[in-house]
Amino acid sequence: DSGVTQTPKHLITATGQRVTLRCSPRSGDLSVYWYQQSLDQGLQFLIQYYNGEERAKGNILERFSAQQFPDLHSELNLSSLELGDSALYFCASSVAGFGTEAFFGQGTRLTVV
Amino acid sequence: DQQVKQNSPSLSVQEGRISILNCDYTNSMFDYFLWYKKYPAEGPTFLISISSIKDKNEDGRFTVFLNKSAKHLSLHIVPSQPGDSAVYFCAARHNTGKLIFGQGTTLQVKP
Repeated sequence: DSGVTQTPKHLITATGQRVTLRCSPRSGDLSVYWYQQSLDQGLQFLIQYYNGEERAKGNILERFSAQQFPDLHSELNLSSLELGDSALYFCASSVAGFGTEAFFGQGTRLTVV
Repeated sequence: DQQVKQNSPSLSVQEGRISILNCDYTNSMFDYFLWYKKYPAEGPTFLISISSIKDKNEDGRFTVFLNKSAKHLSLHIVPSQPGDSAVYFCAARHNTGKLIFGQGTTLQVKP
């Protein structure tokens, strides 16, 4: 158990809809990262937050947004969903922004139908 | 633009032998490198890391080597065990903080 909790574990939704994925980092970790893993692909970095502020941005679509709340949990919002958004979405956390190793949650499997 | 590349999608080795997983990177602003292991239906698990100021780090059966001039790192597993069968991801930390992952290499260790 990495200590990083992601909910829900599975999500099935229709095209055009909007979903919110939630991540609770390990106790004491200030940094949260979001990654997308599509079929047969590596982990694509989406975005990183550190202590409530956006720290780094990767290949995140404009239809996607994220935030980190004062209690340090983070949410990833995906809107106007398309079939190609079906993927595993991972959250990871680390102590500092300039990381030590990051610890991953179990992921949320999103299926868009 | 793939800044971290794992050119071998898969690797198969015999139990007890050495497994060598390779990773290349292109960005000189990476200052820290990590290896993760991933089993199906689980999140990646941190395995071992190395700072850019070092060329080797060892932890039990796992050793990571870094060749900065070649922008290349490798993970050696000796001896390989069937339980090591998993997908291995190489990751590089940019000095702004973001972690960039490679595509992964699937290792199969045959008994």
